[in-house]
Amino acid sequence: QKEVEQNSGPLSVPEGAIASLNCTYSDRGSQSFFWYRQYSGKSPELIMFIYSNGDKEDGRFTAQLNKASQYVSLLIRDSQPSDSATYLCAVNDYKLSFGAGTTVTVRA
Amino acid sequence: DTAVSQTPKYLVTQMGNDKSIKCEQNLGHDTMYWYKQDSKKFLKIMFSYNNKELIINETVPNRFSPKSPDKAHLNLHINSLELGDSAVYFCASSQVPGADTDTQYFGPGTRLTVL
Repeated sequence: QKEVEQNSGPLSVPEGAIASLNCTYSDRGSQSFFWYRQYSGKSPELIMFIYSNGDKEDGRFTAQLNKASQYVSLLIRDSQPSDSATYLCAVNDYKLSFGAGTTVTVRA
Repeated sequence: DTAVSQTPKYLVTQMGNDKSIKCEQNLGHDTMYWYKQDSKKFLKIMFSYNNKELIINETVPNRFSPKSPDKAHLNLHINSLELGDSAVYFCASSQVPGADTDTQYFGPGTRLTVL
């Protein structure tokens, strides 16, 4: 069983809409979770991390964590064409274990 | 000033050759990592060094040998290259591995193509 699973893409959303990305993890003891964005041909860059149950907001991004359900999500509000990228969910356990990523395309 | 740098950016070589990739970070971090991203874009940890000491060694063929001359540098040497080694290799660094807020910063990647 994969450690981190993400909803399969690609995900296409119109400009201005909300993009919703989901991630589940297998290790109930996992404590902190990271969302990275990766543009084509570039390196992953951090969007945000979360380690407490509930919501965490940063600008147009909101991460949600539910440890009981072993579920992490990322919402992108008011999606822009510049948000078109692959979004990687990762579990932090002295290393980052990544999901396969969800590719998001924002249609102008 | 680049935080995590890698050289070379592109590497094209023949099967059976030996090659090295170099990584340097100027963030003052104690821990450095090597990740491999395959053609399906799956990013997977290979090695991690903390202050020159190997702390993570995933199931990687022993043709891959990391070396850390100091905590700011982590190199990756690959012997007897195979077609399946073709991938993008990312170096990363962080300060406190395992901490809830520990953020890893990635280098620009090295695209290795084995012919």
